Amino acid sequence: AQSVTQPDIHITVSEGASLELRCNYSYGATPYLFWYVQSPGQGLQLLLKYFSGDTLVQGIKGFEAEFKRSQSSFNLRKPSVHWSDAAEYFCAVGSIGTGGFKTIFGAGTRLFVKA
Amino acid sequence: SQTIHQWPATLVQPVGSPLSLECTVEGTSNPNLYWYRQAAGRGLQLLFYSVGIGQISSEVPQNLSASRPQDRQFILSSKKLLLSDSGFYLCAWSALAGGRGEQFFGPGTRLTVL
Repeated sequence: AQSVTQPDIHITVSEGASLELRCNYSYGATPYLFWYVQSPGQGLQLLLKYFSGDTLVQGIKGFEAEFKRSQSSFNLRKPSVHWSDAAEYFCAVGSIGTGGFKTIFGAGTRLFVKA
Repeated sequence: SQTIHQWPATLVQPVGSPLSLECTVEGTSNPNLYWYRQAAGRGLQLLFYSVGIGQISSEVPQNLSASRPQDRQFILSSKKLLLSDSGFYLCAWSALAGGRGEQFFGPGTRLTVL
């Protein structure tokens, strides 16, 4: 069965520092992988996605993620964090089945940014 | 462009009362539709998804139900709410052919059951 693990419940980084949020997945085939961001009390917004091709994908707001099949990972990175990046981040894996497209979300990592 | 609406934004209901949350999508046809629940400090739990009118798949046994009476309308219901139904409910849609499953989320409904 598909699963997504985000090992860090919360992370605190200083503004201007680099960021890496970890994500590991379990899926038999090549997965569809996503990172979403959620600001407090709001819905989720897609940051980036990976389906195939170049394993380093660029997203919005300066984020990028790298797909590593050998490690079953899809870690999210940003070279310099801004205070506005404070939010909750969700990694997700999707698949197409007979019932349609389903997405399994990780438990999320809350990012705190300190001045 | 496509938009997704949810209402109400906030709801406080007593235990045992009924529930009806509505989600509508504009600007697209034949969307896949989803209901998620997000408990405080936790991830998203998929409750229901639908690939077409009248087609509902349930992911988690519970006292909630979903219906899709129209192509772009998705309703989450309960006959009798439980305390454990409190949470943040998110509706989402995806167009597989267009976005390979990328989901677009509504603003959510905060439900508190007292």
